[in-house]
Amino acid sequence: EADIYQTPRYLVIGTGKKITLECSQTMGHDKMYWYQQDPGMELHLIHYSYGVNSTEKGDLSSESTVSRIRTEHFPLTLESARPSHTSQYLCASSESPSTDTQYFGPGTRLTVL
Amino acid sequence: KQEVTQIPAALSVPEGENLVLNCSFTDSAIYNLQWFRQDPGKGLTSLLLIQSSQREQTSGRLNASLDKSSGRSTLYIAASQPGDSATYLCAVKASGTYKYIFGTGTRLKVLA
Repeated sequence: EADIYQTPRYLVIGTGKKITLECSQTMGHDKMYWYQQDPGMELHLIHYSYGVNSTEKGDLSSESTVSRIRTEHFPLTLESARPSHTSQYLCASSESPSTDTQYFGPGTRLTVL
Repeated sequence: KQEVTQIPAALSVPEGENLVLNCSFTDSAIYNLQWFRQDPGKGLTSLLLIQSSQREQTSGRLNASLDKSSGRSTLYIAASQPGDSATYLCAVKASGTYKYIFGTGTRLKVLA
């Protein structure tokens, strides 16, 4: 059983608000990921971290930012939320270098009005 | 550019049937392939991971095969149960990258 947590699980906010989606894992994994998934669609990588203070943007253009100050914590921030940000956000981690099995959190479903 | 396709998009079967889910990818230079299960509104659960050097992996009633040369993987589910109802996704990781490319999934419904 993987230990990766996301809060909040559901969030409804108004346009223009700043929000931070939290993701934490207790497995000591180096690699962490943020994906965006719309209903019935594939997952798109929006941010990746391969260790503390090391982050990269993914393929999907995103107005969000991330930080990795501690191994276990990988928060995602939207400075000014818009309705186009409405989606499900999934956080994942994987151990490096011996295995690439990805462990996912339960997700945050974000609705921006 | 790697593309991952899963067919069919949806599948309904009676309980007890054996079934096969398909995943195809356009670039055979992959590092590994993973199969995941996703329940509605939830995150993904890793089912099986196949390294590029492997042909198949088994876990309980699940068996995943990989044919890199033809760009295909299958997930075989034996003796399906209503609890197997979920969306099944495959994802491939290219050699030399950290990124996984996901398919859109197959929504499976097993009828009691």
